[in-house]
Amino acid sequence: QSALTQPASVSGSPGQSITISCTGTSSDIGGYNYVSWYQQHPGKAPKLMIYDVINRPSGVSNRFSGSKSGNTASLTISGLQAEDEADYFCSSYTSSTTHVVFGGGTKLTVL
Amino acid sequence: QITLKESGPMLVKPTQTLTLTCTFSGFSLSTSGVGVGWIRQPPGKALEWLALIYWDDDKRYSPSLKSRLTITKDTSKNQVVLTMTNVDPVDTATYYCAHRTRSSWYYWGQGTLVTVSS
Repeated sequence: QSALTQPASVSGSPGQSITISCTGTSSDIGGYNYVSWYQQHPGKAPKLMIYDVINRPSGVSNRFSGSKSGNTASLTISGLQAEDEADYFCSSYTSSTTHVVFGGGTKLTVL
Repeated sequence: QITLKESGPMLVKPTQTLTLTCTFSGFSLSTSGVGVGWIRQPPGKALEWLALIYWDDDKRYSPSLKSRLTITKDTSKNQVVLTMTNVDPVDTATYYCAHRTRSSWYYWGQGTLVTVSS
């Protein structure tokens, strides 16, 4: 069982917007602005899409945005495209001795 | 340009020790704030973080696997090594190494599939 909770799946039609949630605790998401999001296509390595809750690395489309409220972080993808179909994982810094916690992943289907 | 590449055996037998090496370029593991970690992914399943080593040799482990894992670094060779003892078929997974800074995994290796089977 993953420490951060994500929905198993979400779906949307091309052009629509979807939001993926990631729920933790005050020891991780709620306590720090160190939430990151990763996109993974089948057979490929994960790719960083959002860091520090809201920031996009260079080269990531501005259709991807991040936010946080309390112990829940969210990834929003606007103007859905077929290429966005992938698995998405969240991660956060945690004050536990591990420093690292991941979510269980969400499969995004573009209808 | 930052790159990381995992290397190690594709097949190991149950109870053996697995040794994986991450060879990287484009950054130094002696730079303050930088870390390298290992994350694995069983077929069709979620990412599972295993271990992390920081520039100052601080080491962190997944609590569920801590007794079986050791992570070390060789700054001069730009390598990080992960050893996992007493492997089991449930350890079959793709193993990734990744560069970490500001609590995010910025760059990832391509991954290496390790199968545990007799």
